[in-house]
Amino acid sequence: DAGITQSPRHKVTETGTPVTLRCHQTENHRYMYWYRQDPGHGLRLIHYSYGVKDTDKGEVSDGYSVSRSKTEDFLLTLESATSSQTSVYFCAIRGQGSVETQYFGPGTRLLVL
Amino acid sequence: EDKVVQSPLSLVVHEGDTVTLNCSYEVTNFRSLLWYKQEKKAPTFLFMLTSSGIEKKSGRLSSILDKKELFSILNITATQTGDSAVYLCAVHTSGTYKYIFGTGTRLKVLA
Repeated sequence: DAGITQSPRHKVTETGTPVTLRCHQTENHRYMYWYRQDPGHGLRLIHYSYGVKDTDKGEVSDGYSVSRSKTEDFLLTLESATSSQTSVYFCAIRGQGSVETQYFGPGTRLLVL
Repeated sequence: EDKVVQSPLSLVVHEGDTVTLNCSYEVTNFRSLLWYKQEKKAPTFLFMLTSSGIEKKSGRLSSILDKKELFSILNITATQTGDSAVYLCAVHTSGTYKYIFGTGTRLKVLA
């Protein structure tokens, strides 16, 4: 357990509404990631952060923005949700030192109607 | 373009069987390869393999990395129904903060 929580865990929203997902970690990790997981696609990187206010795009960043104003929180925003953004969203952190593996949060299941 | 390919996509076996899952990769600046197990929740870490650690074992699970042929295998011996899951392979490259995931192998173990 890398001390990662995600909120909300489940959300149903309507097309066109903004949605913000929160990832919170308690162990001062520098690197944080947002992925989406869909059948047949595995885990795809949306955005990642390598420090406070330092973020960059992943392979499926269109329609998403992120912010990291403090080490422990990484926010993912869908500015105007679409049905194609229905997915399971996972936050992850990268371990420090020699153990550079990723540890995942519990996930957020988002349904856009 | 960096990519990670897993095979087979899915597999059904009976308890006690041995299975081999494959992960091949084409990336620049390979740093490490990771295996995860995913049941109906978040992926959980199994192994990390690097140039200095090309074979790992934990109980009935073992994994090897072939850096020359650019692939890894995950072996599970004496499978149990609790091994039923999706197994994910990911590659971490030097000089980036990213991990590239394969689409996973879905394993179902029948009692």
